[in-house]
Amino acid sequence: DTAVSQTPKYLVTQMGNDKSIKCEQNLGHDTMYWYKQDSKKFLKIMFSYNNKELIINETVPNRFSPKSPDKAHLNLHINSLELGDSAVYFCASSPSPGQGAGQTNEKLFFGSGTQLSVL
Amino acid sequence: AQSVAQPEDQVNVAEGNPLTVKCTYSVSGNPYLFWYVQYPNRGLQFLLKYITGDNLVKGSYGFEAEFNKSQTSFHLKKPSALVSDSALYFCAVRPLGAAGNKLTFGGGTRVLVKP
Repeated sequence: DTAVSQTPKYLVTQMGNDKSIKCEQNLGHDTMYWYKQDSKKFLKIMFSYNNKELIINETVPNRFSPKSPDKAHLNLHINSLELGDSAVYFCASSPSPGQGAGQTNEKLFFGSGTQLSVL
Repeated sequence: AQSVAQPEDQVNVAEGNPLTVKCTYSVSGNPYLFWYVQYPNRGLQFLLKYITGDNLVKGSYGFEAEFNKSQTSFHLKKPSALVSDSALYFCAVRPLGAAGNKLTFGGGTRVLVKP
């Protein structure tokens, strides 16, 4: 059973289209994330939700809109796709975020990625 | 703001030889430090972490890492590399007390272990 699953695995689309990537985790985690990995393999966080509430929102164009219908799902919708959006998008989950000394819930579980190609 | 540097884009090593992947970090206060590995067409997998305590941390697949506060480094090591260790390795940092699990990743180091 895949712990963090995201679909589709590959997504090829034209500029200007709107597309969604879905993510589901069956680990019972409270926190989910979207990361973007560019062509140089640089990995950067985009969003994080804890129990359906947005807790991290990096400087991401507002064409990107995450939606968390429940704590097991975090979908990513992208409007008006641009060439620069081409990347691999990873979903991840973890137990509730730890804060302060002694909190060690930072182990992230990643999905296998969605390779988005905008033509 | 925190940052992570992995100075080597690629490390080549012969099977059976020791492997070292370098990482240095910059963060305000005490850091939480992590190593993740990414195999081709897969998501990242957690290898090990340093929170507090012993500076030498042991992780999965025979890997270990040494936290050096004075040099702000957290190099990943394995005494005897395997061909199956060939992958992309990421170092990451989170400052103590930061809200959420906002990890900052380094740019990654590709490891190639030759038979």
